[in-house]
Amino acid sequence: AQSVTQPDIHITVSEGASLELRCNYSYGATPYLFWYVQSPGQGLQLLLKYFSGDTLVQGIKGFEAEFKRSQSSFNLRKPSVHWSDAAEYFCAVGDDRGSTLGRLYFGRGTQLTVWP
Amino acid sequence: DGGITQSPKYLFRKEGQNVTLSCEQNLNHDAMYWYRQDPGQGLRLIYYSQIVNDFQKGDIAEGYSVSREKKESFPLTVTSAQKNPTAFYLCASSKGDLTGELFFGEGSRLTVL
Repeated sequence: AQSVTQPDIHITVSEGASLELRCNYSYGATPYLFWYVQSPGQGLQLLLKYFSGDTLVQGIKGFEAEFKRSQSSFNLRKPSVHWSDAAEYFCAVGDDRGSTLGRLYFGRGTQLTVWP
Repeated sequence: DGGITQSPKYLFRKEGQNVTLSCEQNLNHDAMYWYRQDPGQGLRLIYYSQIVNDFQKGDIAEGYSVSREKKESFPLTVTSAQKNPTAFYLCASSKGDLTGELFFGEGSRLTVL
């Protein structure tokens, strides 16, 4: 079965520092991968997605992620973090099997704190 | 603007009462989903529906019920059988295609007193 692991529950970085959030997935075929962001008390917003092609994908708010099949990873990066990036980040993998087509499996999330 | 509307945003209920959370979308999406979110546990799937008049149990369906009589609407009822209903509930929709990209509502926070 598909699964997603986000090893870091909580990360703290200083404003202006670089950021990398880790995501590992378990899936037999070529995965559909997503990163979502959630501000407190809000729904989730899509940051970026990988379906196929170029393994480095660009998203909104200056985020990017790199798909590495050999490592089963889809890590999220940002060169310089802003205080407004403080939020919870979720990695997810899609399911292309017939009965559960389109279902996403989510990691437990990484809470990002940004120090001024 | 197209989107997903959840209501109410905050809801309080007494133990033993059923409560229904509303979810409406105007994105013309075929698939709709209900997730439950608890601190440190990520999102857990309660129910999902890929077409009108059909729905499937997710990972934590016990104590919940849904209906899908219209494409636009997917209400969730939290019944008195749900042992620990206090949580943040998120509704989402998608085209129901291979990619699975989800669009989320802003959530409903249910507190049982």
